[in-house]
Amino acid sequence: KAGVTQTPRYLIKTRGQQVTLSCSPISGHRSVSWYQQTPGQGLQFLFEYFSETQRNKGNFPGRFSGRQFSNSRSEMNVSTLELGDSALYLCASSLAPGRAGELFFGEGSRLTVL
Amino acid sequence: QKEVEQNSGPLSVPEGAIASLNCTYSDRVSQSFFWYRQYSGKSPELIMSIYSNGDKEDGRFTAQLNKASQYVSLLIRDSQPSDSATYLCAVNRENNDMRFGAGTRLTVKP
Repeated sequence: KAGVTQTPRYLIKTRGQQVTLSCSPISGHRSVSWYQQTPGQGLQFLFEYFSETQRNKGNFPGRFSGRQFSNSRSEMNVSTLELGDSALYLCASSLAPGRAGELFFGEGSRLTVL
Repeated sequence: QKEVEQNSGPLSVPEGAIASLNCTYSDRVSQSFFWYRQYSGKSPELIMSIYSNGDKEDGRFTAQLNKASQYVSLLIRDSQPSDSATYLCAVNRENNDMRFGAGTRLTVKP
């Protein structure tokens, strides 16, 4: 069974640009959530999607957005990039709603903003 | 007060010893609790989940939950060098709002 797949794995952008990250969940998993991980702040919740609907959102500015498609694949977008957006972005899937919290993480997309 | 607090470590134990990792949380309505292990350069992986007060054992791992004290712990028996990693405590609050602790770095010395 394939795991959670995230693309791209690494990317470098400059301030002011935008970026789109993609996530394919484990087959059969309908919930996808996104996290930002930095050395200083740890793992911080961005948002969660289930059946193409955003069910929950963390405390991030509106520059961070996401969506989920009918096949459960998800994308997140960060516009007007700032240096502080440099981080590892992790996508996780779960068998929502009964197994929320039991997350399976992808390998992440490491974003560097110059 | 942070929502999920863990000692950052590092925690160092000799091989074969018991490693004890602790976590406290602030939101009393939290219902489910998790321990994730993250090796350096890798993504977190779920190792334990616990939903009710008491102990839950899985192999060398035991999770303990005390909702009255808002306290979760993870015991690793017969620690191995391969257990060296950062352990993240996670709490699922209402509306599936997951919060992670900063993690405790564990080193098991041969």
